[in-house]
Amino acid sequence: DSGVTQTPKHLITATGQRVTLRCSPRSGDLSVYWYQQSLDQGLQFLIQYYNGEERAKGNILERFSAQQFPDLHSELNLSSLELGDSALYFCASSVDGGRQPQHFGDGTRLSIL
Amino acid sequence: QQQVKQSPQSLIVQKGGISIINCAYENTAFDYFPWYQQFPGKGPALLIAIRPDVSEKKEGRFTISFNKSAKQFSLHIMDSQPGDSATYFCAAIRSNAGGTSYGKLTFGQGTILTVHP
Repeated sequence: DSGVTQTPKHLITATGQRVTLRCSPRSGDLSVYWYQQSLDQGLQFLIQYYNGEERAKGNILERFSAQQFPDLHSELNLSSLELGDSALYFCASSVDGGRQPQHFGDGTRLSIL
Repeated sequence: QQQVKQSPQSLIVQKGGISIINCAYENTAFDYFPWYQQFPGKGPALLIAIRPDVSEKKEGRFTISFNKSAKQFSLHIMDSQPGDSATYFCAAIRSNAGGTSYGKLTFGQGTILTVHP
């Protein structure tokens, strides 16, 4: 158990809808990261938050947004969903940014019908 | 843009054999190179990591070899066991820019390792 909790584990929805994925980092970790894993793109970095503020951004679509709250949990919002958004979405956390080990949750599997 | 290239895509070895997975990178600003292990239904888990000022790091049966001039690094799994069957990802980070630390992991495409008993 990595100590990172992601909910829900599975999400099935339709095109055009909006969903929210939630992540609770390990106790004491200040950084939260979001990654997308798909068969064709592999594991792709989306965004990093550190202590409530955006720290780094990857190839995150404009339809996607994230935030980190004062209690350090994070949410990833996906809107106007398309079939291609079907993927595994992982959250990771670390004590700090940079080289500190990132501990991954078990992901949310998003299926768009 | 594929900044970290990993090979092979899949690998089958016999129990007790050596598994070798290779990665090459392009961005010379990368300064930290971790390897992750992922089992089905689970998130990636950190296995071992290396900095570019070290040519080799060993932890138990797992060894990273690093060649800075060739911009290549590899994972060696000695005495491979069926329990090692998983997907392995190399990754790279440029952890510092302008005095601020960043944790953006750039992953290779992954290697599916199967160890036969």
